Amino acid sequence: DVKVTQSSRYLVKRTGEKVFLECVQDMDHENMFWYRQDPGLGLRLIYFSYDVKMKEKGDIPEGYSVSREKKERFSLILESASTNQTSMYLCASRAGAYGYTFGSGTRLTVV
Amino acid sequence: SQELEQSPQSLIVQEGKNLTINCTSSKTLYGLYWYKQKYGEGLIFLMMLQKGGEEKSHEKITAKLDEKKQQSSLHITASQPSHAGIYLCGALKGGNKLVFGAGTILRVKS
Repeated sequence: DVKVTQSSRYLVKRTGEKVFLECVQDMDHENMFWYRQDPGLGLRLIYFSYDVKMKEKGDIPEGYSVSREKKERFSLILESASTNQTSMYLCASRAGAYGYTFGSGTRLTVV
Repeated sequence: SQELEQSPQSLIVQEGKNLTINCTSSKTLYGLYWYKQKYGEGLIFLMMLQKGGEEKSHEKITAKLDEKKQQSSLHITASQPSHAGIYLCGALKGGNKLVFGAGTILRVKS
């Protein structure tokens, strides 16, 4: 089974801090995605990557950046965390036409 | 606004009862996914539908995609406490991006 691992389940950071959320998949998938999930809004796509060093903006990229230096790892970066970035962050990977596999999520609180 | 509309937003059912969750799009759906999420956890893939009129079942959960490929329903037969969670429908946009509805919260009363 494909495994998508997010490094932290819970994270508390201060406003203005630079925050790194890490995601690793073990099945050589080309495509990786970062979503955030908020009550009543469902999952919204922040950024995705279809290959190493390739990235594309999703629907809500403002305040975020990403890094994909290796195929298995996709990092989400909050350049200067703000309270409105408190959310559940979910990473996913996908190969070809098959379903997306999601990580367990990171619940980030910015205080 | 959501590209995918899910209804109802939340649902409380008595254990043993059947229920249906709907997912509607104003555009033709190419690849409709259903996921389940336990509170605070990641998404678990349930089913994917691609063809108009397609129907898939897994245990007590059945998903259908209508002929026009603009609406999907998820039906649970004889609900159990283990069915409780958030159900999300997702659809492919631009070939590779998966966009989601807002989700339906299901609670099952014992």
